Amino acid sequence: GNSVTQMEGPVTLSEEAFLTINCTYTATGYPSLFWYVQYPGEGLQLLLKATKADDKGSNKGFEATYRKETTSFHLEKGSVQVSDSAVYFCALGAGSYQLTFGKGTKLSVIP
Amino acid sequence: GAGVSQTPSNKVTEKGKYVELRCDPISGHTALYWYRQSLGQGPEFLIYFQGTGAADDSGLPNDRFFAVRPEGSVSTLKIQRTERGDSAVYLCASSKERGGSTMDEQFFGPGTRLTVL
Repeated sequence: GNSVTQMEGPVTLSEEAFLTINCTYTATGYPSLFWYVQYPGEGLQLLLKATKADDKGSNKGFEATYRKETTSFHLEKGSVQVSDSAVYFCALGAGSYQLTFGKGTKLSVIP
Repeated sequence: GAGVSQTPSNKVTEKGKYVELRCDPISGHTALYWYRQSLGQGPEFLIYFQGTGAADDSGLPNDRFFAVRPEGSVSTLKIQRTERGDSAVYLCASSKERGGSTMDEQFFGPGTRLTVL
């Protein structure tokens, strides 16, 4: 079956530090890959997505590249801000409608 | 409203009671999804509606869980004889339509936090 594994948190970084959150997946077919973010007190929001191999999704300074050879979709940001503090979820959709999520990684950015 | 809304935001009930959780999707979205998020976990799929019909209910954990969407808009998730293990955040999402190979974006509501004592 489909599954997503992402690095466990929590992750604590200083402002302007470089961020990487690792995500690997197992899926049948050719999945679409997503990063969702959940800010404190808010619902899940789509951060970025990629629908085929070698695609790069980007938004708000975050990037992730769909790597079929390593079945990965790592999230990166060059310089994090306090406002990036949230829980980040990697997810896949494999030719159907339901999303399969990782467990989430809590990021705290301190000034 | 502009987004997906869910009511109530919090629900506390006693073991064995019946609860209903409501979801109001984005206007015009034909697809609606329910997920359950337990503490420290990612959301897990429960059921998907395309229009009024449940196209896939394979994620419902057992027959105590049931969901309806009678007019193709608002949906209600119903849980009978609640158990302590049902405590979780129940998330609703909607999308324009089933997206095929590229998947339409799913827009999530804020969730209903259910606590079964």
